[in-house]
Amino acid sequence: DTAVSQTPKYLVTQMGNDKSIKCEQNLGHDTMYWYKQDSKKFLKIMFSYNNKELIINETVPNRFSPKSPDKAHLNLHINSLELGDSAVYFCASSQVLGDKAFFGQGTRLTVV
Amino acid sequence: EDKVVQSPLSLVVHEGDTVTLNCSYEVTNFRSLLWYKQEKKAPTFLFMLTSSGIEKKSGRLSSILDKKELFSILNITATQTGDSAVYLCAGCQGAQKLVFGQGTRLTINP
Repeated sequence: DTAVSQTPKYLVTQMGNDKSIKCEQNLGHDTMYWYKQDSKKFLKIMFSYNNKELIINETVPNRFSPKSPDKAHLNLHINSLELGDSAVYFCASSQVLGDKAFFGQGTRLTVV
Repeated sequence: EDKVVQSPLSLVVHEGDTVTLNCSYEVTNFRSLLWYKQEKKAPTFLFMLTSSGIEKKSGRLSSILDKKELFSILNITATQTGDSAVYLCAGCQGAQKLVFGQGTRLTINP
């Protein structure tokens, strides 16, 4: 009964393709996030949603589009993938905005 | 721009040693400071500090925040090989988002 689960764990795809990563939390939290971790281990926030509403969009290219069908889900769709998109993407959730966040296991995206 | 800086970037010690990891922050509308441990995959939560000078403790780990000097430390005593990980510090900005440092990679040798 994983608290924050994301799929897939690994994703290898060619440049130009469109892909989605799914995230679900069963903690009853109001807020969900997407973070990107680069090769130097820097975790940077991309988006946050509170009660299905977009709160933060951190200068992410509009090829990245988050979708929150309900409070427990926050999916990330990426169009026209580029080499620089290769990274580990973490989904997270917290009780309320700014509270301690619980992270999923990450999705390692490799664009070739 | 909001910034969190951790030092050292990398630390190698022997089992049983005590280590201190440092985190300095410049975060607008600062609300709290958080520490996470990242082994292979997901960062796992360790501490959340909101008040200056009050130590939080969990087993061999402890942490304290200095809001005047914009600084936090994470102490680990009697280190074990299982403590090997990347330790991440994050400042909470405006009760909205976490700004992470680059992490300290800690290696404990037997």
